[in-house]
Amino acid sequence: GEDVEQSLFLSVREGDSSVINCTYTDSSSTYLYWYKQEPGAGLQLLTYIFSNMDMKQDQRLTVLLNKKDKHLSLRIADTQTGDSAIYFCAENTDKLIFGTGTRLQVFP
Amino acid sequence: ETGVTQTPRHLVMGMTNKKSLKCEQHLGHNAMYWYKQSAKKPLELMFVYNFKEQTENNSVPSRFSPECPNSSHLFLHLHTLQPEDSALYLCASSLVSSGTPVTGELFFGEGSRLTVL
Repeated sequence: GEDVEQSLFLSVREGDSSVINCTYTDSSSTYLYWYKQEPGAGLQLLTYIFSNMDMKQDQRLTVLLNKKDKHLSLRIADTQTGDSAIYFCAENTDKLIFGTGTRLQVFP
Repeated sequence: ETGVTQTPRHLVMGMTNKKSLKCEQHLGHNAMYWYKQSAKKPLELMFVYNFKEQTENNSVPSRFSPECPNSSHLFLHLHTLQPEDSALYLCASSLVSSGTPVTGELFFGEGSRLTVL
């Protein structure tokens, strides 16, 4: 069945890079997404990658996709305290399937 | 301002109460969704409405009853809930074509935090 897995927590020091990992099961997903949920808010689309791409860079964000291993990662360079949030990975078949979310905590 | 508004933001209810959650979107979208967010669990899709028609019911217990009177409004009617139903209930909307989100982007409300005593 469709399943998206993520680790629950990640803690990094301000200024370091953060890497959030995700595995998914449906190889027919055409897009894969990263959503961000700030405290007390709903989810917002952060970035996405088309399934025929290996990498996408958008300012401090780098998305890497390994289709063979069904592995997606989000790298945040120069992590700031404002990056503290829950990050959800999602795959898109005929509907969006989300993971548990990874809570990123940034400490000074 | 996300364009998707949910009320109430917080709700405490007993197991015998009947209450409703409301969602409203002003984005011109034609699909609306209810998700359940519980700690340490994947975000769980509950219901999908495309063009006001329910197209998805993910084995949700009948104590949750959705209603979509038009493409801008979505309700979740609650009755005889259990303590394990306590969670954050998120509403989302999107633009769909043939039932699939055009860009895959869902626009979420801030959620209704439900506590069942």
